[in-house]
Amino acid sequence: DTAVSQTPKYLVTQMGNDKSIKCEQNLGHDTMYWYKQDSKKFLKIMFSYNNKELIINETVPNRFSPKSPDKAHLNLHINSLELGDSAVYFCASSQASGGDKLYFGPGTRLLVL
Amino acid sequence: GESVGLHLPTLSVQEGDNSIINCAYSNSASDYFIWYKQESGKGPQFIIDIRSNMDKRQGQRVTVLLNKTVKHLSLQIAATQPGDSAVYFCAENTPPGGYIFGTGTRLKVLA
Repeated sequence: DTAVSQTPKYLVTQMGNDKSIKCEQNLGHDTMYWYKQDSKKFLKIMFSYNNKELIINETVPNRFSPKSPDKAHLNLHINSLELGDSAVYFCASSQASGGDKLYFGPGTRLLVL
Repeated sequence: GESVGLHLPTLSVQEGDNSIINCAYSNSASDYFIWYKQESGKGPQFIIDIRSNMDKRQGQRVTVLLNKTVKHLSLQIAATQPGDSAVYFCAENTPPGGYIFGTGTRLKVLA
């Protein structure tokens, strides 16, 4: 069983489109995250949710909107996609916020044309 | 495939040798540190962690050393194998609850 799963794995889309990435964890964790990894492999936190409540919202354009319908799911919706949004997006979860290891999903490779 | 991190520092070691990957962290208040391994096309995978009340922690073939005085973390891999080739990241916890990742080091194991 996959602990943290993301869909889709690949996403190729045109500039200006709106897209969503879904994430689910079956570990019973309280905290979920979205990270962005750029072409230089740099991993940067975007959002963190603890029990469906937003606790971290880094300097991310408001075109990015996370939604957590329950503590096992954290989806990421992106409006008006731009070329610079091309990256790999990783979902992760942890039992405790900041005090326990992160479990990462396999990533969603987004390419904006 | 995924684009290559052209600016990643790279450590090349001979198979069977020991590897040491270093990381400087930034936040004196961080009290939990993690090392991750990321293979091509995959998500980061947990290797080992350490809390700030410890200086050293050992796992299977891996050891993490923490020097809080100079805010330095290292990962030692014993008897490096081809399967160890990957990008390695250190991460530190940071209030209010996220983790900051280092820039990563690419480990290449030479046969």
